[in-house]
Amino acid sequence: SQQGEEDPQALSIQEGENATMNCSYKTSINNLQWYRQNSGRGLVHLILIRSNEREKHSGRLRVTLDTSKKSSSLLITASRAADTASYFCATRGSGGATNKLIFGTGTLLAVQP
Amino acid sequence: GAGVSQSPSNKVTEKGKDVELRCDPISGHTALYWYRQRLGQGLEFLIYFQGNSAPDKSGLPSDRFSAERTGESVSTLTIQRTQQEDSAVYLCASSLGWGSGTGELFFGEGSRLTVL
Repeated sequence: SQQGEEDPQALSIQEGENATMNCSYKTSINNLQWYRQNSGRGLVHLILIRSNEREKHSGRLRVTLDTSKKSSSLLITASRAADTASYFCATRGSGGATNKLIFGTGTLLAVQP
Repeated sequence: GAGVSQSPSNKVTEKGKDVELRCDPISGHTALYWYRQRLGQGLEFLIYFQGNSAPDKSGLPSDRFSAERTGESVSTLTIQRTQQEDSAVYLCASSLGWGSGTGELFFGEGSRLTVL
């Protein structure tokens, strides 16, 4: 299965601290994306990193990708209570007849005010 | 509307009944996905439509599940003879076709199915 796995499964931090979430996957990818899901809602796209990129920034978000280790990390700096949500990585495979997006298991982040 | 629309938002049904879930993607999006999310779990891929290509049905869990899409518009996910294990939120997402954009998915708010 291509499905990614994320760790930790749950993370609780204080406002102002940084939060780091990790994602591992199994097959070759074309790109990797991170999404956020607030409780009871749909997912919202945060950032995409291509297989030939190693690092990408967007506001308080920093994503790294190590294709040799088949892993990615998402760093949220200076966290806020509003960052409380579940975070999922998703991978799009390379080659093959399908380009479906497969999601990881998610990290539940709680930011305490 | 500007976003992905799903209906119904909530559906309670009895075991053994059939249900239909509907998804209206963003206009112009050629790719459409269905995912299942059980309580507290990640997203389980069900099916993927891309333009006029044959859909990728590899995630459908049993032959009780089927999905259709008319052209590049509305999609319906049908679950026949529902079981309690089918209880979940069914999420639909759409995107520009592969090669036409970043591949970013836009999600609807989901249809919460409860099978009694």
